[in-house]
Amino acid sequence: KNEVEQSPQNLTAQEGEFITINCSYSVGISALHWLQQHPGGGIVSLFMLSSGKKKHGRLIATINIQEKHSSLHITASHPRDSAVYICAVSYNTDKLIFGTGTRLQVFP
Amino acid sequence: KAGVTQTPRYLIKTRGQQVTLSCSPISGHRSVSWYQQTPGQGLQFLFEYFSETQRNKGNFPGRFSGRQFSNSRSEMNVSTLELGDSALYLCASSLTGDGDTQYFGPGTRLTVL
Repeated sequence: KNEVEQSPQNLTAQEGEFITINCSYSVGISALHWLQQHPGGGIVSLFMLSSGKKKHGRLIATINIQEKHSSLHITASHPRDSAVYICAVSYNTDKLIFGTGTRLQVFP
Repeated sequence: KAGVTQTPRYLIKTRGQQVTLSCSPISGHRSVSWYQQTPGQGLQFLFEYFSETQRNKGNFPGRFSGRQFSNSRSEMNVSTLELGDSALYLCASSLTGDGDTQYFGPGTRLTVL
């Protein structure tokens, strides 16, 4: 069993839809990271969470430490949100353990 | 502030050769981590350096090595290249090295023929 599980693997949406990507992990962590990777490879860190909820623009990330689960929500999705979204966990160091990623395509 | 830079951006090598990749972190960042991304295995951690010391190492053979200099710039070296080493190699830097937000470079795409 992978240490970090993401679902779904692929997601298509119409512009304007509300999107949720889920991430589960198997052992206690110090932080959970949501990353975005566009075609071409560049990775951007969206959120780093150790508890609760964070919001940045149309993106919201939540984490439930007891259930070892996190969600990334995108409100009012737009074609420019099309990317691969990756969940990763860390244990008090910069070593990241990654999920397999969710490929999101938003159509106009 | 300038972002994380990696050189070169693209490399083509043949089996058996060796390669050195370079990473310059954001100014003031003391932690540099390296990752390998392949279609089959996804993103995997290679090593983490903090203040010139390797703090963590991933599950890769000894052909993969790295180092960090006093100005926090880092290099990774792969010797005796194999076809399976073809990948995107990413480095990332952070301020504290304790699981803080990491800032990724654009990556070096290595092709081994």
